[in-house]
Amino acid sequence: QKEVEQDPGPLSVPEGAIVSLNCTYSNSAFQYFMWYRQYSRKGPELLMYTYSSGNKEDGRFTAQVDKSSKYISLFIRDSQPSDSATYLCAMYTSGTYKYIFGTGTRLKVLA
Amino acid sequence: DVKVTQSSRYLVKRTGEKVFLECVQDMDHENMFWYRQDPGLGLRLIYFSYDVKMKEKGDIPEGYSVSREKKERFSLILESASTNQTSMYLCASSLARLYDSNQPQHFGDGTRLSIL
Repeated sequence: QKEVEQDPGPLSVPEGAIVSLNCTYSNSAFQYFMWYRQYSRKGPELLMYTYSSGNKEDGRFTAQVDKSSKYISLFIRDSQPSDSATYLCAMYTSGTYKYIFGTGTRLKVLA
Repeated sequence: DVKVTQSSRYLVKRTGEKVFLECVQDMDHENMFWYRQDPGLGLRLIYFSYDVKMKEKGDIPEGYSVSREKKERFSLILESASTNQTSMYLCASSLARLYDSNQPQHFGDGTRLSIL
């Protein structure tokens, strides 16, 4: 079983929709959670960074962590065609170099 | 903003060649990492470094070596390139030392390497 599971998609939504992207994980020791956006032929770009459980909002993006369920989510409001990319979740524990990445969900926002 | 620069976006080499991939970061980060990214397999850690001249093996170090002579620069070396090393290579850096509270990684745009 992988430490982090992420549906590969693709997920296709119409412009303006609310998008929900999710990851589940197995290691309850993870404390820090991140979402990256990766456009085709580019490197991952850090979108959201959260510590422990709760919500964090930044513009159209909301990151949610539920440590009791070992489940993290990224919500995108008013999705735009420019949001079309692969979204990677990542997580790690304090005191380790090992950042664990999901394999990514490919999102297509249709104009 | 953090800037991680990889010297080549695309590279084509032949089997058996020694290949150097260069990465430079401008934010005085202690930690630097090399990953390869393959479809369906995600990011796999090859090597990382938490200080100048320090290096640690990641999950898939075989066939690779690294060099960190200066804090801002981290090089990945393919000793004798093989076709199964054709991949997207990503360099990343992060603030803080290994056993402190680490910060998220920031990535370069990658080097797409083809070994013929």
